[in-house]
Amino acid sequence: GAGVSQSPSNKVTEKGKDVELRCDPISGHTALYWYRQSLGQGLEFLIYFQGNSAPDKSGLPSDRFSAERTGGSVSTLTIQRTQQEDSAVYLCASSLLAGSHGYTFGSGTRLTVV
Amino acid sequence: GENVEQHPSTLSVQEGDSAVIKCTYSDSASNYFPWYKQELGKGPQLIIDIRSNVGEKKDQRIAVTLNKTAKHFSLHITETQPEDSAVYFCAARLMEYGNKLVFGAGTILRVKS
Repeated sequence: GAGVSQSPSNKVTEKGKDVELRCDPISGHTALYWYRQSLGQGLEFLIYFQGNSAPDKSGLPSDRFSAERTGGSVSTLTIQRTQQEDSAVYLCASSLLAGSHGYTFGSGTRLTVV
Repeated sequence: GENVEQHPSTLSVQEGDSAVIKCTYSDSASNYFPWYKQELGKGPQLIIDIRSNVGEKKDQRIAVTLNKTAKHFSLHITETQPEDSAVYFCAARLMEYGNKLVFGAGTILRVKS
């Protein structure tokens, strides 16, 4: 596609439920990133995929968070047993290569845990 | 986060005036410095970037300057317009963080008409 596509755009879930957030990167981009942005805050790095390399999971805040990237393209971020503090906008970005290229961000998924 | 510091956190300017946002970084090996603009309800959008082999880059009303010795870079917006109102993030590719972009905390720019 022309840009990074994220779905759903909004998600309201009950505390304790699991959620899956989807990201379709730009075709041909080998690197994919997930960030979290709490209300009025900056960008918190979560996880990074580069080609077939093992993902960099150093930003995941707890073991309730996981992500996978199938076939080097679509990625899914899963949050298990959601808590109210998980409420935030989850942003996905992709780049042609890691190292010297800027990221193209999607519009994000706004997650609200009630 | 703390390896890229961004100032100010909020900035209000009168329409037509200039706005300057500054960032400092910690890793002297960093070689790529993009700036992003985020409008309400949207993802950040790349507006300009600079690599370490140049000191300044311009694109119409926006410019970025880089001082590698002092490890700081700045975004300059001239002749500001109401549509420039947004949150601006600087970033630096920090080798010590696995070659990923590390973002500043953001600057809320308000252009008053």
